[in-house]
Amino acid sequence: DAKTTQPPSMDCAEGRAANLPCNHSTISGNEYVYWYRQIHSQGPQYIIHGLKNNETNEMASLIITEDRKSSTLILPHATLRDTAVYYCIVRAGNTNAGKSTFGDGTTLTVKP
Amino acid sequence: NAGVTQTPKFQVLKTGQSMTLQCAQDMNHEYMSWYRQDPGMGLRLIHYSVGAGITDQGEVPNGYNVSRSTTEDFPLRLLSAAPSQTSVYFCASSYTPEYGYTFGSGTRLTVV
Repeated sequence: DAKTTQPPSMDCAEGRAANLPCNHSTISGNEYVYWYRQIHSQGPQYIIHGLKNNETNEMASLIITEDRKSSTLILPHATLRDTAVYYCIVRAGNTNAGKSTFGDGTTLTVKP
Repeated sequence: NAGVTQTPKFQVLKTGQSMTLQCAQDMNHEYMSWYRQDPGMGLRLIHYSVGAGITDQGEVPNGYNVSRSTTEDFPLRLLSAAPSQTSVYFCASSYTPEYGYTFGSGTRLTVV
């Protein structure tokens, strides 16, 4: 699986959009980009994933560059409850998909 | 629909003891994984499975065994507990390679 690089921490004002970047320059053609978050000591929560097209769901939007070497998770209107560690991972969509490695993530702090 | 259930939630072991962390899911997911998370760190993959009877090693498999006799259950066995295995253990499952993982709430293990 490709390695990802994320900034260790970011701040965002409440009500503003939070844009979390992720670099995955060694991503392979069959690897998806996934985003999870972990609030305090709870189990990680799946947010969104994509292969090459931009994706949107009720939680967030995922923008993947055309060369697929980087992506951005967008929380359109951040709230205090979005304060968490956000993990970007890449994972193959085949029988090796169980082997997902998480890095250290980005700690997002939403401030009032 | 309970999702991913991990038991116990908390456990204290003495060095050298063995135990099994239980993980069960009721979503008919083929893909299951075990992660450990040390304080202030990201998640590291211990073992994973892509279906009943099929398991493989992750990043940090030493000192742990797994088996997958049914789709629902994926127990993690600590053979001879060591203080270095003090951590929070998360189990996760996914229906297909493309779907995001659903995580359990974790087992907090302390080895003294």
